[in-house]
Amino acid sequence: EAQVTQNPRYLITVTGKKLTVTCSQNMNHEYMSWYRQDPGLGLRQIYYSMNVEVTDKGDVPEGYKVSRKEKRNFPLILESPSPNQTSLYFCASSLSIGLPTEAFFGQGTRLTVV
Amino acid sequence: AQTVTQSQPEMSVQEAETVTLSCTYDTSENNYYLFWYKQPPSRQMILVIRQEAYKQQNATENRFSVNFQKAAKSFSLKISDSQLGDTAMYFCAFMKPNAGKSTFGDGTTLTVKP
Repeated sequence: EAQVTQNPRYLITVTGKKLTVTCSQNMNHEYMSWYRQDPGLGLRQIYYSMNVEVTDKGDVPEGYKVSRKEKRNFPLILESPSPNQTSLYFCASSLSIGLPTEAFFGQGTRLTVV
Repeated sequence: AQTVTQSQPEMSVQEAETVTLSCTYDTSENNYYLFWYKQPPSRQMILVIRQEAYKQQNATENRFSVNFQKAAKSFSLKISDSQLGDTAMYFCAFMKPNAGKSTFGDGTTLTVKP
């Protein structure tokens, strides 16, 4: 089954404790992206990757890091989480950036930073 | 930079009736893609419909259709014969080909009433 898998689904952590949210897709998609969803603000793009070893900033990259060492994985790293990073996070992938098609989204990760 | 505006934070419709969700966007690009995504209470993001800007014909997917007005930069979603399962938050999104950035609107929460 074609899917994007995020882990964990829920996470409560403390300020400053490094964490990683994993994202994996099994569709051999070139393009992957991370979003955060906050009430009244829609989805805002954090980082995206057009292919292996190619990443770029979205609209709200501060406080986040990503890497794309393999095509299927695109982890989101919070080196020193802060309460303003409490949010619902989505990872997405799509086949090709040249011709945007349907983006497959993960199930979401609810992160709370206290 | 592109912006996407959904001016209706909340809407409701009676079951079996028709409802239209509005979306306007701002861009200087000529070639781009527009999407409507549905996010039900399960939080999963599901593609509803996609429109390529170079196509004049409005996209249609079963009960879902769009009214794409390129000159007016408007991209509204019409849901016909509304069903209870259509209750969700709907996001309008903009993306350029060969560019990784995507822009989402703030969302419209639609409630279908029995």
